[in-house]
Amino acid sequence: GAGVSQSPSNKVTEKGKDVELRCDPISGHTALYWYRQSLGQGLEFLIYFQGNSAPDKSGLPSDRFSAERTGGSVSTLTIQRTQQEDSAVYLCASSLRLAGGFSLAKNIQYFGAGTRLSVL
Amino acid sequence: TQLLEQSPQFLSIQEGENLTVYCNSSSVFSSLQWYRQEPGEGPVLLVTVVTGGEVKKLKRLTFQFGDARKDSSLHITAAQTGDTGLYLCAGASGTASKLTFGTGTRLQVTL
Repeated sequence: GAGVSQSPSNKVTEKGKDVELRCDPISGHTALYWYRQSLGQGLEFLIYFQGNSAPDKSGLPSDRFSAERTGGSVSTLTIQRTQQEDSAVYLCASSLRLAGGFSLAKNIQYFGAGTRLSVL
Repeated sequence: TQLLEQSPQFLSIQEGENLTVYCNSSSVFSSLQWYRQEPGEGPVLLVTVVTGGEVKKLKRLTFQFGDARKDSSLHITAAQTGDTGLYLCAGASGTASKLTFGTGTRLQVTL
């Protein structure tokens, strides 16, 4: 597609349930990022993929959070046993960036519209 | 932990006024980016500044990177209602594998 696509756009779940959030990056983009935006807050980095590997998982808030990327394309963010404090907008971004290089243009991150998660 | 503080947090002005948003940190960044985010959408990149002291202009928007690459400002001249949104600064370190976002400035421009 032309842009980063995220699904679902909205997700309401009950406390304790597991949820899966999906991100389709821009075709050809090798880097993929997940961020979380809580009400009134800036964006909080969660995890970054280069290809299918995740060199930086430092932002995942707990072991209930995990993410994977397959085929160098689609990524899913899974939250197990959701808690009310997990309620937020989860944003995905992708960039062209190739491993081992540094180019401002290739590092530009393009964001999806996000998934708004509400845990009741 | 790198932190980016933005000020003000909220700004409500009338069309035609000028404004400045500040982004400050105690950390040095290799580059700094400014984004605008509208409700229900993801952030959209406005500009990237790389060199200390650099000034970039984008129509009525002027961006400056501090000499020490720890702070930045965004100045809007003659604001328009279309400028309304959440403005976010974000700093990159090293090869920019991740961005550290600021706390955001919510701007509302009214007629």
